[in-house]
Amino acid sequence: EVQLVQSGAEVKKPGESLKISCKGSGYTFTSYWIAWVRQMPGKGLEWMGIIYPGDSDTRYSPSFQGQVTISADKSISTAYLQWSSLKASDTAMYYCARRNSNYIWFDPWGQGTLVTVSS
Amino acid sequence: EIVMTQSPATLSVSPGERATLSCRASQSISTNLAWYQQKPGQAPRLLIYGASTRATGFPARFSGSGSGTEFTLTISSLQSEDFAVYFCQQYNNWPPAFGQGTKVEIK
Repeated sequence: EVQLVQSGAEVKKPGESLKISCKGSGYTFTSYWIAWVRQMPGKGLEWMGIIYPGDSDTRYSPSFQGQVTISADKSISTAYLQWSSLKASDTAMYYCARRNSNYIWFDPWGQGTLVTVSS
Repeated sequence: EIVMTQSPATLSVSPGERATLSCRASQSISTNLAWYQQKPGQAPRLLIYGASTRATGFPARFSGSGSGTEFTLTISSLQSEDFAVYFCQQYNNWPPAFGQGTKVEIK
């Protein structure tokens, strides 16, 4: 079974750094792009960026370029999303999702990581 | 960037009735459209791709149609487990973009 399992919920203060993870299993991790998607409380889905773990080729949505860093460690089948300095407005649920091999739809999705940033 | 607009924001439907959800693209996207279902407290789940192909595990009461800029998701006879938020997503142009979602609630 193809699965993406994300790291647990985080509570952080403004200005702190954070790295959350997404571990893939049940498939060849290096052969599929992994995307990150933000969902702010009570809101819709926002595509943040995507990485190809095979060679770490990474693309960002213009809205998130420079705000976050996406990376991957193929030796442990894990993708990451990180912030160097969190803001209260980063409070959201973050999902990773596997891109289809030929088209840019996403399936499956991880269970989500809730990030809360509050002083 | 392509903007996806869903309507209505909320749809109140009685169990057993038909639900029709709309998704409009700001420019033509052929049939490069996906739909996702998100239940409360859960991650989104792929429902439809290629505008009309059902993903694994979804029953035939779910159907998608449309091409170009106008798309429709129809749930022919709503069951209790279908009450959720539905998002469309275009993948014809970079970057991919989601609609803001339609919440299907019990009337």
